[in-house]
Amino acid sequence: QSVLTQPPSASGTPGQRVTISCSGSSSNIGGNYVYWYQQFPGTAPKLLIYRNNQRPSGVPDRFSGSKSGTSASLAISGLRSEDEADYYCAAWDDGLSALFGGGTKLTVL
Amino acid sequence: EVQLVASGGGLVQPGRSLRLSCVVSGFTLDDHAMHWVRQAPGKGLEWVSGISWNSATIGYADSVKGRFTISRDNAKNSLYLQMNALRTEDTALYYCARDRLSNYGGAVLFDPWGQGTLVTVSS
Repeated sequence: QSVLTQPPSASGTPGQRVTISCSGSSSNIGGNYVYWYQQFPGTAPKLLIYRNNQRPSGVPDRFSGSKSGTSASLAISGLRSEDEADYYCAAWDDGLSALFGGGTKLTVL
Repeated sequence: EVQLVASGGGLVQPGRSLRLSCVVSGFTLDDHAMHWVRQAPGKGLEWVSGISWNSATIGYADSVKGRFTISRDNAKNSLYLQMNALRTEDTALYYCARDRLSNYGGAVLFDPWGQGTLVTVSS
């Protein structure tokens, strides 16, 4: 069981706005930045959001991140079929290790 | 083009050892910390180990501490993971990932990731 808690699944229809939550504690999310990774089946994860709400170049502005206290969220607006993937939150833990959430499988209906 | 190519995976019996390698190209390895992250079949991501640009700072997940050793050779553009006393629960696809930062710790800024090498521990 992951220290960072995510819902195992999420879904939405094309054009909708979907949010994925990530819950942690004061030793990880509460005191450090949150990162989000996107993974398509059979491929390596890709950095999607860094430092809570920053997008690497090439990531559409439909993807946004936020953090409040010991929780964080990834929002995807204008949902598209190609957004169907697994999404992982991540944060550094003050115990000197990196943590990943359990992952959320996003289905576009 | 930035590339990370992991190799060394395979089928191994419980209790045996295996050494993974990750050869990088397209960037200067000693500008970056590096990490190993694994993913068991059908499961999520699990950080395994990380190492700073100069090997001065190293960290391990509790699940592998004392059994796995991370190292790097910047002159050979290579990252390694020596895995000893392997267990069935170590079965996973092992990814190497470049840290955007040079120092280890404080961020999970892994970009990009290699394609992974599969380790199967079974009798």
